[in-house]
Amino acid sequence: GIQVEQSPPDLILQEGANSTLRCNFSDSVNNLQWFHQNPWGQLINLFYIPSGTKQNGRLSATTVATERYSLLYISSSQTTDSGVYFCAVNYGGSQGNLIFGKGTKLSVKP
Amino acid sequence: KAGVTQTPRYLIKTRGQQVTLSCSPISGHRSVSWYQQTPGQGLQFLFEYFSETQRNKGNFPGRFSGRQFSNSRSEMNVSTLELGDSALYLCASSLTGSGSPLHFGNGTRLTVT
Repeated sequence: GIQVEQSPPDLILQEGANSTLRCNFSDSVNNLQWFHQNPWGQLINLFYIPSGTKQNGRLSATTVATERYSLLYISSSQTTDSGVYFCAVNYGGSQGNLIFGKGTKLSVKP
Repeated sequence: KAGVTQTPRYLIKTRGQQVTLSCSPISGHRSVSWYQQTPGQGLQFLFEYFSETQRNKGNFPGRFSGRQFSNSRSEMNVSTLELGDSALYLCASSLTGSGSPLHFGNGTRLTVT
């Protein structure tokens, strides 16, 4: 099956710093989504981005489907950005079946 | 618009018992899917329902089952609980399934003792 690899696995930042999280996938995908799981376990959908670039405030994401990777940019990080960031892909004809990466654990220090 | 609602938030069960978890999707969403999250295996897909029909199923034993009602609300059931079933169970809804963003509920944390 498809492999979804995220890097780095762990990231520690000082408040105000910028960061780039990467997601590589091993096969063609129908769509790709980025999620943030906060320390209380809630998963928030950040981007639905099968290709191209999207921005939402301090966050932006780019997916280059032909090269099988996606990037999530966090600018001017805040302590509330802490948590785990997951990339998830849907491929083939699997309706509703997202394959998740193992995540990047981000800690933003004040 | 209300988000995805899961009940209960926490459950403690004994090995061998069964459990039913409930999920109410975002209004208008017809696809409901369930995921299991554990520290060792990460997030794994259980099954997806669309218009009361199971459309896709992950690689879990038959002890895990689900259903969807006509109002799109969904339940999942786990019978004969095992210690390894302890996990965070997450329900997600979307408009159409794979072609639209997934929105998750807060999850049900199940502990099996």
